[in-house]
Amino acid sequence: DAGVIQSPRHEVTEMGQEVTLRCKPISGHNSLFWYRQTMMRGLELLIYFNNNVPIDDSGMPEDRFSAKMPNASFSTLKIQPSEPRDSAVYFCASSPLGGIGYNEQFFGPGTRLTVL
Amino acid sequence: DQQVKQNSPSLSVQEGRISILNCDYTNSMFDYFLWYKKYPAEGPTFLISISSIKDKNEDGRFTVFLNKSAKHLSLHIVPSQPGDSAVYFCAASANNDMRFGAGTRLTVKP
Repeated sequence: DAGVIQSPRHEVTEMGQEVTLRCKPISGHNSLFWYRQTMMRGLELLIYFNNNVPIDDSGMPEDRFSAKMPNASFSTLKIQPSEPRDSAVYFCASSPLGGIGYNEQFFGPGTRLTVL
Repeated sequence: DQQVKQNSPSLSVQEGRISILNCDYTNSMFDYFLWYKKYPAEGPTFLISISSIKDKNEDGRFTVFLNKSAKHLSLHIVPSQPGDSAVYFCAASANNDMRFGAGTRLTVKP
């Protein structure tokens, strides 16, 4: 298995532009998570899905952020419009079991986003 | 609010010695704890975990200790190897919540 796949690996955009990050979880995994990593706040959970259904999006910073999971093998995280403070590394992770507690998560390599 | 804290941003140890990474949490509802290791340009990878019903879990060179009364856990690496140089994140979870610390960068010098 190739593991969790994220694209692009790097994204540089200008303030105000729309950014879409993509994730393909490990086949057969039931849960998918989006995280943001910054120097100041470390790893923050943004949203997670269980069986393609969003369960908890309380970590999404504001309405400019949205996430979808149209099927079991694909998810997107969209930022519109983007701002410089959104610059961070965004990780996608998946887990074979449902729920967020008690389960090992498998992380993708991350997307490094820079908003100028 | 940071419910999981790793107060040491960095740690440097000599190869062969013990590395001790610490983590504190504030929410007494957390009952499962994990450590992840992260190399540059890669995502975190799971290392070891412990349930709150235990106070110690060992896997090879890695041992995690949990002190529930102090809301403190630690990761011991013995002996430390240069390949252990990475950022280590602790995570605390409950049924529908998981929080990560900010990470500790471990450098093991040959």
